[in-house]
This record gives sequence, C-alpha cells and structure tokens, in this order.
Amino acid sequence: DTGVSQDPRHKITKRGQNVTFRCDPISEHNRLYWYRQTLGQGPEFLTYFQNEAQLEKSRLLSDRFSAERPKGSFSTLEIQRTEQGDSAMYLCAGGTSYGYTFGSGTRLTVV
Amino acid sequence: EDKVVQSPLSLVVHEGDTVTLNCSYEVTNFRSLLWYKQEKKAPTFLFMLTSSGIEKKSGRLSSILDKKELFSILNITATQTGDSAIYLCAVGSGTYKYIFGTGTRLKVLA
Repeated sequence: DTGVSQDPRHKITKRGQNVTFRCDPISEHNRLYWYRQTLGQGPEFLTYFQNEAQLEKSRLLSDRFSAERPKGSFSTLEIQRTEQGDSAMYLCAGGTSYGYTFGSGTRLTVV
Repeated sequence: EDKVVQSPLSLVVHEGDTVTLNCSYEVTNFRSLLWYKQEKKAPTFLFMLTSSGIEKKSGRLSSILDKKELFSILNITATQTGDSAIYLCAVGSGTYKYIFGTGTRLKVLA
C-alpha cells in the first residue's frame, strides 16, 4: 500500500468516449501530481495541485483533459473524446515537500 | 528546453556487483532531484536530493547530487536479483513540475 489509491486499475474504452479517473492520497499529501507514462518512457507531467488549487498544467495537455481536486483531498482526471494516442498509464503522486509517492496507476486502453 | 538524461539506458550485471547509475540535467530553477525504482507497477520513491555533496543512504542504495556539474548518481552495492528494475530520475524545474528521464533498465543475473 503506497498511501495513494487510484481507481480504476484498468480501463478499456472506445475512441470518442469520455473517461474519468480518481486518485485518493492520504490526508497529509497537500501536493498532488498527475503524470502519464507510455511504454519505455519516463512519466510525463500533466498537472499539479497544491491543496485544491491547480497551480500548473502542462502545455501538452489538450483541451480534452481536465483535472480537479475540489476539497484538497481526492482528485479526478477526465479525458473527453478519447483518442488512441491517449492509451497510457495514468499515474497520480501525492506528497509533501519531502517526497512524492505514486499510486498504482490507471492503465487506459483506447480501442 | 529542460531535459533529464539518464545513463546507461540499460545494464546487465551479476549478483554481488556494484552499479552506478547516472542522471544529468539541464533545467531552469532547479528545486530538487528524485530517484525512483519502477518494477512492473508504479514507481517507488527512493531518495530526494536538494543539496550538493550530501549523500543519502538506504541500505545498499546511496545517492549524491552535484549541483555544479548538474548530475546525480545512484549507487547500488552487492546487487541482488530483486534490484532488477527501471531506475528513474526526476528533476524539479521551475515552480512545481518534475521532469523524468527515460530511466535505466537494470537486470541483475543470479
């Protein structure tokens, strides 16, 4: 148990559908990141929250991606009108200024 | 453009060997450097480094940062088959984000 839970673990969706992923860090994690990882690559930054404020968002994120952390606890990442190129592992990391712990990730497959 | 480069890309050693993994970086406003171990799932946190020359140690793993030469090394002594994994380096750039390298794939043979 890493202290960061992600749900679902796997998601298969048809192209054009919307998907939403959830991340639940522990209460001490005031900082929260979303990353995307494809095979053979390191995680790629998507967005960062400090408490409920979204303070940074990658330019790589298109308008189809949105993330929220409404009460500074759990966070959601939504992808609208999914494309095959969105297939990847979506990782959430929670932490403090002393380090960041990843959840087990959500593997998205767009068919 | 910010970048993080890890070397070697892959490494095969025998149990008991010592390995040194490298992470070099060019980023704006360096904040800290993180090392992670990734097996078949999400990365597991190893170290956070913020100051030059101060070694962080955990069992057989140790790491040090050189902010003048812009690199870090991760050492693993007396390697075991359980050390086989991808080792990722991430560098904090700018205000909040971390940029990851592509990792070093380590395989330890029995």
